[in-house]
Amino acid sequence: DTGVSQDPRHKITKRGQNVTFRCDPISEHNRLYWYRQTLGQGPEFLTYFQNEAQLEKSRLLSDRFSAERPKGSFSTLEIQRTEQGDSAMYLCASSFTVAGTDTQYFGPGTRLTVL
Amino acid sequence: AQSVTQLGSHVSVSEGALVLLRCNYSSSVPPYLFWYVQYPNQGLQLLLKYTSAATLVKGINGFEAEFKKSETSFHLTKPSAHMSDAAEYFCAVTTYIIQGAQKLVFGQGTRLTINP
Repeated sequence: DTGVSQDPRHKITKRGQNVTFRCDPISEHNRLYWYRQTLGQGPEFLTYFQNEAQLEKSRLLSDRFSAERPKGSFSTLEIQRTEQGDSAMYLCASSFTVAGTDTQYFGPGTRLTVL
Repeated sequence: AQSVTQLGSHVSVSEGALVLLRCNYSSSVPPYLFWYVQYPNQGLQLLLKYTSAATLVKGINGFEAEFKKSETSFHLTKPSAHMSDAAEYFCAVTTYIIQGAQKLVFGQGTRLTINP
């Protein structure tokens, strides 16, 4: 069990550019979540995958955001035409439900700065 | 809708003193509750979780939390603070989304400072 990994750890981009983040979940976990955390706040839910299917999206996820999880393994989160308001920490978590409890394990996050 | 309120955005204690971080929840169903810790520029690490098996939950690094239904609280405590406990702490409650999946709804966080 190597834990959840995310790449890159930091990304600096100019407004209007596209960026893509990657998340590798714990291998036996079938559930994968993306959260966004702005400075001084708790994380907020963005989207959820069960295996390869994206089953839930938050209203926070505008049309500029797209997420995929091909083959139910790693996931990518793409932001098109970035805006300064997109600057945040993007966190990925994975889980496997046991006895009704969905315990989520988080990766180290990708910190995005949009100039 | 489920929600969490963390009382006190900043808590400062002396090394060796009791740590008490407060969390109150609102939930229309029996909740699952979590405490996570976040060190600077890192992700969230699970400290402990309440899943209705026992009201007093022990976690890692000497932390524990007590679920009190009558007070809708899930406060985090540690008898003796250590310098390495300095971090941001988040309380979270789960809310069902689809097909058994549960998203986490987090509080605003409490920054814990330890004074030597």
